[in-house]
Amino acid sequence: GAVVSQHPSRVICKSGTSVKIECRSLDFQATTMFWYRQFPKQSLMLMATSNEGSKATYEQGVEKDKFLINHASLTLSTLTVTSAHPEDSSFYICSARRAVGETQYFGPGTRLLVL
Amino acid sequence: QQQVKQSPQSLIVQKGGISIINCAYENTAFDYFPWYQQFPGKGPALLIAIRPDVSEKKEGRFTISFNKSAKQFSLHIMDSQPGDSATYFCAAPAGGTSYGKLTFGQGTILTVHP
Repeated sequence: GAVVSQHPSRVICKSGTSVKIECRSLDFQATTMFWYRQFPKQSLMLMATSNEGSKATYEQGVEKDKFLINHASLTLSTLTVTSAHPEDSSFYICSARRAVGETQYFGPGTRLLVL
Repeated sequence: QQQVKQSPQSLIVQKGGISIINCAYENTAFDYFPWYQQFPGKGPALLIAIRPDVSEKKEGRFTISFNKSAKQFSLHIMDSQPGDSATYFCAAPAGGTSYGKLTFGQGTILTVHP
């Protein structure tokens, strides 16, 4: 149990285009999903917290208009990187949890490369 | 804002040896303290977690020791195997009205030589 999937696993796009990444909890309902960003050989940096049916809460320094998050159902959250630039190239990872105080389960990550 | 300091940054252990990774946190804990294991190009996977009302938790070769008064917790990997070679992250609750956010340590790259 507690499986989280992400799609796509890898995406290459041209600068200026938008990219959507999906995060799904496959066998449980996730009241909260989190989006992280990880640069090579670095730790996970939380970008935003997404609660189903409400607006996402962004961490300081993360542009909410650039990283659009939608949490339309208890099993799906999406991250859209708008007008992507090469500096947005990174490993994006989502996590999901059932309820407050519960463990976060991570997805396999999405490698984004912006040319 | 919770700060988590993890050490060492990297660790090399011989097969069969004990790997020890330490973490220290700053603010009062509420929920639990998980350890995650991450292989290159993969998302982190929950390894083991402990709640602050116990001092130790063991699952197979993995043990978490928790010292609430010192605000420290550590991961011990007994009989380390080459397959354990990965990056390990500790995490602690961010605290306040964080809605369960976690603050992660800097990570420890573990290499187990055969």
